[in-house]
Amino acid sequence: DGGITQSPKYLFRKEGQNVTLSCEQNLNHDAMYWYRQDPGQGLRLIYYSQIVNDFQKGDIAEGYSVSREKKESFPLTVTSAQKNPTAFYLCASSKEAQGDTYEQYFGPGTRLTVT
Amino acid sequence: AQSVAQPEDQVNVAEGNPLTVKCTYSVSGNPYLFWYVQYPNRGLQFLLKYITGDNLVKGSYGFEAEFNKSQTSFHLKKPSALVSDSALYFCAVRGRLTGGGNKLTFGTGTQLKVEL
Repeated sequence: DGGITQSPKYLFRKEGQNVTLSCEQNLNHDAMYWYRQDPGQGLRLIYYSQIVNDFQKGDIAEGYSVSREKKESFPLTVTSAQKNPTAFYLCASSKEAQGDTYEQYFGPGTRLTVT
Repeated sequence: AQSVAQPEDQVNVAEGNPLTVKCTYSVSGNPYLFWYVQYPNRGLQFLLKYITGDNLVKGSYGFEAEFNKSQTSFHLKKPSALVSDSALYFCAVRGRLTGGGNKLTFGTGTQLKVEL
């Protein structure tokens, strides 16, 4: 988990409220990613960003929003439009270089529970 | 579109015995393959990757994986399992994103349980 921090570790919200999950990295990586993990489903990509001030939708972006104002930060907002927000959320980062394939490094995750 | 299959939800092995966690993939173009491990309520830790070259890839904590192009497999192995290896293991394949960059597609995970 070294180099990527996510806060808080556990988060509880009432239905209808927006909530923002924090992700910070000090690895000087260009690319950052948000995944959602549900039991038995593996990880699914929500949003990704290759460079500051630019981000793209992943496979399950509906009901989520992100920003990338700084290289080291990539916060994720879970909006009230997300129909089933309770999940374990993982942030990751990687180097990005054309022609090379770098592994992604993951943060410790935030477990969000919405009731 | 790329995909990964991990056919076993759980693998049980006795400590000291060899272990294998299976993974098959589907991807157009050259496969770039990864294994990650996850301990309870933690993030994923990178174990190893195959990009090109030798079909046997060595990684962290004594793990290795064998790339088999004809069988489109990338099984994770360890010669002698430890109780501390008990965790959730994910296989992943890299694909290209429409907007550029790398996308990892993950399998559903295999729970490894190593018993005394």
